Amino acid sequence: NAGVTQTPKFQVLKTGQSMTLQCAQDMNHNSMYWYRQDPGMGLRLIYYSASEGTTDKGEVPNGYNVSRLNKREFSLRLESAAPSQTSVYFCASSAETGVDNEQFFGPGTRLTVL
Amino acid sequence: GNSVTQMEGPVTLSEEAFLTINCTYTATGYPSLFWYVQYPGEGLQLLLKATKADDKGSNKGFEATYRKETTSFHLEKGSVQVSDSAVYFCALRGTGGFKTIFGAGTRLFVKA
Repeated sequence: NAGVTQTPKFQVLKTGQSMTLQCAQDMNHNSMYWYRQDPGMGLRLIYYSASEGTTDKGEVPNGYNVSRLNKREFSLRLESAAPSQTSVYFCASSAETGVDNEQFFGPGTRLTVL
Repeated sequence: GNSVTQMEGPVTLSEEAFLTINCTYTATGYPSLFWYVQYPGEGLQLLLKATKADDKGSNKGFEATYRKETTSFHLEKGSVQVSDSAVYFCALRGTGGFKTIFGAGTRLFVKA
């Protein structure tokens, strides 16, 4: 099993450009998440999908959109990138079956917006 | 709302020293508590967890006990190794929700 995979690993954008971060998991997990990690601020939840067909806002959703394409895939889109969106982005998934609520993380995408 | 507070780093220790990283939380009900570890250039991975009061989670020589009376989940290891150098995150998962709240992270450096 590959676990959670993310593409790309690195990306540099100019202000105003758009891009989509891809995430896929092969663990048959129900829930998927997008976080951003900034120095000294831990992880902040951008959006999550509790189950296939549903998405909800997290703590910092402004400037982002998401799509739960199917049970495996959950993409994050930046429509018009801003320097404040320079960050490391992590996708995660969890089974959500009883007490199995720990999250499994991808390797991250390091995004720089100039 | 729910929150997690963990000690600020960095923490610098010599090999074989005793490690404690403090974590306290605020939550209603009986949340699940976690420690995640992030090695350089990687995503987070679960280190240990506890789902009810007085539970002790343990893995790779690390331990943490869920203390409801002090709302704490401190991470300990008796003898750290250079390979333990990483960032450690305390996290909380409330009952009936899908959101995990993460602390700010504590960076640990272990010197040979």
